Amino acid sequence: DTEVTQTPKHLVMGMTNKKSLKCEQHMGHRAMYWYKQKAKKPPELMFVYSYEKLSINESVPSRFSPECPNSSLLNLHLHALQPEDSALYLCASRQGRGNGHNEQFFGPGTRLTVL
Amino acid sequence: EDQVTQSPEALRLQEGESSSLNCSYTVSGLRGLFWYRQDPGKGPEFLFTLYSAGEEKEKERLKATLTKKESFLHITAPKPEDSATYLCAVQAGNYGQNFVFGPGTRLSVLP
Repeated sequence: DTEVTQTPKHLVMGMTNKKSLKCEQHMGHRAMYWYKQKAKKPPELMFVYSYEKLSINESVPSRFSPECPNSSLLNLHLHALQPEDSALYLCASRQGRGNGHNEQFFGPGTRLTVL
Repeated sequence: EDQVTQSPEALRLQEGESSSLNCSYTVSGLRGLFWYRQDPGKGPEFLFTLYSAGEEKEKERLKATLTKKESFLHITAPKPEDSATYLCAVQAGNYGQNFVFGPGTRLSVLP
C-alpha cells in the first residue's frame, strides 16, 4: 500500500480565518513533506519533517505553520493567508532510512482558495 | 545551485507515435532521479527511480534512462490515456532530503 491521504480535498477561506490541512500515511515512512503547487508549475518545497523533527523550512512565511504530531500525521496550520496563497497543497512521504528506497509518494492534494 | 530543466515544454503526439522526453540536471552529488506523472488537479504519481548512470527502468509503454547529465523518458506507441504532465525530480542536499522538480512536460496523445 503506497497511499497518502489528505483532508480536506477542497478548502475556501477568508483572509482572517484559521484552518488546518491534514496528511496521513501508514507506510512507516519517517520523512514527510509539504509542497505548494500553482497551476502549470512544478511542486515547490515548503517543509520537510524527518523523524518528526522539522529539518527543512524553505523560507516559508509564518502564516504557514507545520506540525508533525507523530510519525504518521502531518498538519499544516493556516492563518491570515493572502489570495496569492491559493494553490494545490501536496503532502508526500518517503521511507527516509537511506536504504535505497528514496522515492516520495504523494497524496491527492488539497485545493485551497483564499478569498 | 541544484537545477532541473525539462524539454520540450509541451508535446503532442498521435496515438502510436513514439517519442522521448528529456530531463537535464545540475546537482552536487546526485542521490536519485525520479519520474512522476501528474494528471490535472491531482497529486504526482510515482513512476521510476534511477540512481546511477547507465541504469534503465521499464513499465508498460514507458522506459526511463539515466546518464551523468540527463535522463530520458521514452514513450513507445502511446495511447490517449498517457496524456498527462511528466515531472522529473532530483534528490539533493547534504542529507538527501531536498527534492528539486523540473517544470514538467505536458504530453497530449491524440486518438
